[in-house]
Amino acid sequence: AQKVTQAQTEISVVEKEDVTLDCVYETRDTTYYLFWYKQPPSGELVFLIRRNSFDEQNEISGRYSWNFQKSTSSFNFTITASQVVDSAVYFCALRRRNQGGKLIFGQGTELSVKP
Amino acid sequence: GAGVSQTPSNKVTEKGKYVELRCDPISGHTALYWYRQSLGQGPEFLIYFQGTGAADDSGLPNDRFFAVRPEGSVSTLKIQRTERGDSAVYLCASSPTAGGDYNEQFFGPGTRLTVL
Repeated sequence: AQKVTQAQTEISVVEKEDVTLDCVYETRDTTYYLFWYKQPPSGELVFLIRRNSFDEQNEISGRYSWNFQKSTSSFNFTITASQVVDSAVYFCALRRRNQGGKLIFGQGTELSVKP
Repeated sequence: GAGVSQTPSNKVTEKGKYVELRCDPISGHTALYWYRQSLGQGPEFLIYFQGTGAADDSGLPNDRFFAVRPEGSVSTLKIQRTERGDSAVYLCASSPTAGGDYNEQFFGPGTRLTVL
């Protein structure tokens, strides 16, 4: 079975703190894709990153970085020097290859960044 | 260019009524997806279309739910005999094609359905 678990339901930090959002996934597939989406209060899901299972390089984009570890089936997301605008619900998702693009989402982590 | 649009943004209906939710994907995107998001949960897959045909409807909860995409562009999600448990935000997404290594899904703002 395919499953994504985001154990942290809510996280609250003060502006400029670093914060890591955890994501653990389950799949027996050897090829798959992992995603992070941001859902601000407006409600629209915003794509942040895609990672292919055959590419374990970590990625940094500005204040955002992602740590993909196949050995622990984790795909964690770190925001450095958090800002109030980062407040949102963040979702990790899994997509199987040859499954038409269907995304399997975790339950989300609500991040609150206070000034 | 225009993103994915969904209408209405909010829909309030009474138990037992029929509702239609519309999705207008990004122009040229052949794959279209419907998800349902209950309060405090992640989106759950309902159905996806590749062109006009439903390629995977395994997420539809029961036969009260049906979706069409007759011309391969706009899609309508139809719910018959609505129940209070159908209350959720219904999200639509589109991508250039289905699957593939590099196809992200672009989401619309959703339709919030409330069944009284």
